[in-house]
Amino acid sequence: AQSVTQLGSHVSVSEGALVLLRCNYSSSVPPYLFWYVQYPNQGLQLLLKYTTGATLVKGINGFEAEFKKSETSFHLTKPSAHMSDAAEYFCAVRENGGFKTIFGAGTRLFVKA
Amino acid sequence: GAVVSQHPSRVICKSGTSVKIECRSLDFQATTMFWYRQFPKKSLMLMATSNEGSKATYEQGVEKDKFLINHASLTLSTLTVTSAHPEDSSFYICSARDHRVQGGGTDTQYFGPGTRLTVL
Repeated sequence: AQSVTQLGSHVSVSEGALVLLRCNYSSSVPPYLFWYVQYPNQGLQLLLKYTTGATLVKGINGFEAEFKKSETSFHLTKPSAHMSDAAEYFCAVRENGGFKTIFGAGTRLFVKA
Repeated sequence: GAVVSQHPSRVICKSGTSVKIECRSLDFQATTMFWYRQFPKKSLMLMATSNEGSKATYEQGVEKDKFLINHASLTLSTLTVTSAHPEDSSFYICSARDHRVQGGGTDTQYFGPGTRLTVL
C-alpha cells in the first residue's frame, strides 16, 4: 500500500529565506509524485510532478523538488520565500499506471515579513 | 490548463435534508472523477472513484448509501449527501482525470475549487 509522510505540520520561514518542505513516500512500485498547494477555501493547484526521467523537477512559482529513490523522498524547495507562498502544501503519491492519488497530511507554510 | 468546476461553492442546509454537489470538467472529457473530503486543517481523504456509466467505487469506511455518486456523462459527476447531519459538514473536493497524455507522459488530474457544506 502506498503512503505519504510529510514531516512538520507547520513550517515558518522569513521572507527571502529558503523554503524546505519534507515528504517521504512508501510505494511498492515506482511512483508518480506530486506537490499541490492550497490557499484558504480553495481547491488544489498542482505545483509540480515527477513521473519519469530527470529527478530534479521544476514547478511553478519558483518551486522545485528532487526525487531521491534511495531516500524515498520528494522534498519541495524554493530558494527565496515570498509572502504569497503562505499556504497549505500537500505531497501526494500515485502508483505508476494507477490512478488513485494518496495525499500526505499537509504542511502549512507561514512566511514572516 | 484544463478546468474543473464545482457547484455550489458553499451550501448550508438543515439536518436531515439532502444536498447535491456537481463536478464538471469544462474542456475535456473525464471518464474518471474522484471525490475527496477534507476536514478542517486536515488532508484530503479519498471517498470514492466515479466512473462514467458504471457504479462508483467507494473507499473503505465510506457509506455508499450516505454519499450517492452519479457519473451520468463524460463531463459531470454528482455527489449527493443524503439525510445530512452536522458531522457531514466538511469541504468536498472533486477531481477529474484527463486521459490525454500530458507533458511527462502521464495523465493529469485537475481539481475543482471545492464545496463547503455546513449542516445545521
